[in-house]
Order: sequence, then C-alpha cells, then structure tokens
Amino acid sequence: DIQMTQSPSSLSASVGDRVTISCRASQSVSTYLNWYQQRPGKAPKLLIYTTSNLQTGVPSRFSGSGSGTGFTLTISGLQPEDFATYYCQQSFNYPRTFGQGTTVEI
Amino acid sequence: EVQLVESGGGSVQPGGSLRLSCRVSEFIFSSYQMNWVRQAPGKGLEWISYISRTGEIIKYADSVRGRFAISRDNAKDSLYLEMNSLRDEDTAVYYCVRDSGLLAYFDLWGRGTLVTVSS
Repeated sequence: DIQMTQSPSSLSASVGDRVTISCRASQSVSTYLNWYQQRPGKAPKLLIYTTSNLQTGVPSRFSGSGSGTGFTLTISGLQPEDFATYYCQQSFNYPRTFGQGTTVEI
Repeated sequence: EVQLVESGGGSVQPGGSLRLSCRVSEFIFSSYQMNWVRQAPGKGLEWISYISRTGEIIKYADSVRGRFAISRDNAKDSLYLEMNSLRDEDTAVYYCVRDSGLLAYFDLWGRGTLVTVSS
C-alpha cells in the first residue's frame, strides 16, 4: 500500500497568512494526488485534483504543486472559512490512501 | 440538486450486521463509479470499497474484505454496503462518494451515516 504522510499535523495561522501543507507518498503516484477540505461536522469536499487542478467553485487562493512523491497545498491569503482539516489522497492505485490530515487553526 | 444521501446507520453489537444505502439524485448514476469511505470518531479518512459502473469490478480495503460487500442497483439510483461480522473498530461515519472516473478523484460526497458498534 502507498503510505501518505502530511506535515505538519496541525498549524496555527491568522487571516491573510500564506499557508503551506506538505504531502509525501511512500512511492511515486505520478500526479494522481488530490486534496480535500473538511470543516468540523461536515463531509469532505474536493479542492484540487491531479496535483494542481482547481475543482469548480474553489477560490483561486488555493493552489497545488508537485509530482512523484512530494506535493504541496498552498493557501494564499487565509480566510476565516479556510480554518479546517485538509487531507491529501492518492488515486494512483488501490487501495486509495489518505494522509492523516492537517488541521489549520486560528 | 446533485447529491448523495446515505441511510441505514445505527447502533449494533459486535458480530452484528447492517446494510447502508446511498440514494443519488440529479445525475446519471449508471455513468459513475462509486466508493465508500469511512471516518472513525476524531480520526482521518479511510477508503474501504469501490464499485465500477456496471458492478463488474469491485475492490475492498484489507480491513473490510470478506466482511463487507458493496453493490449497486442502477435502476434504483442506489449504492449499498452490506456489513457483517462488525467489530468495535468499524465504528465510524460512512460516506458514499462519487468517483470522477479516469483520474479517480472523489468529486462528490454524501453527508455520511454513523455506524456505532458497541456492546
């Protein structure tokens, strides 16, 4: 199985900050890397697919980059609604696996 | 509105069984591959099962293989998860999730249904 490791596990930030979350795969997943946002008590929501493609309706302050085993989610200009937990997930092979999550706190 | 609505969750004793359902609306269900993903209380996301558009291809996580069975009824726009031999560690919110297809990202999630396994 491909292990996905996110860092940090949590971070504190302020409105307007630039935030970067890293995701590392135990083996190459090419660009088959997706990012999800989960607000407390809510279902996850797709933010970015195949590394850098913004899902329809997602603000442009979210961006993704990387390839192979190293990936990054960047939020440029943190907004109050962005305080949530973020998960990376590989769709390169089965079983599909998620990172452990990164919680962005105020 | 395009949505997925899960039902069938509840409390069950260890060793018991439960059947989850997911009803979809406002999209052509038979055109999409589907998945179940779960989340234990306070924990991260765990993919547990996949089914192809026709149901011919099915995959499971090791943690549920042999105990859970995914199925679908395209005529009823519904996805199912039959859960048997339930264990304490199966306690989680279970999400019905639409698969984008070729690139295989999860583009639509239901609100989830809670399954609690406890004596």
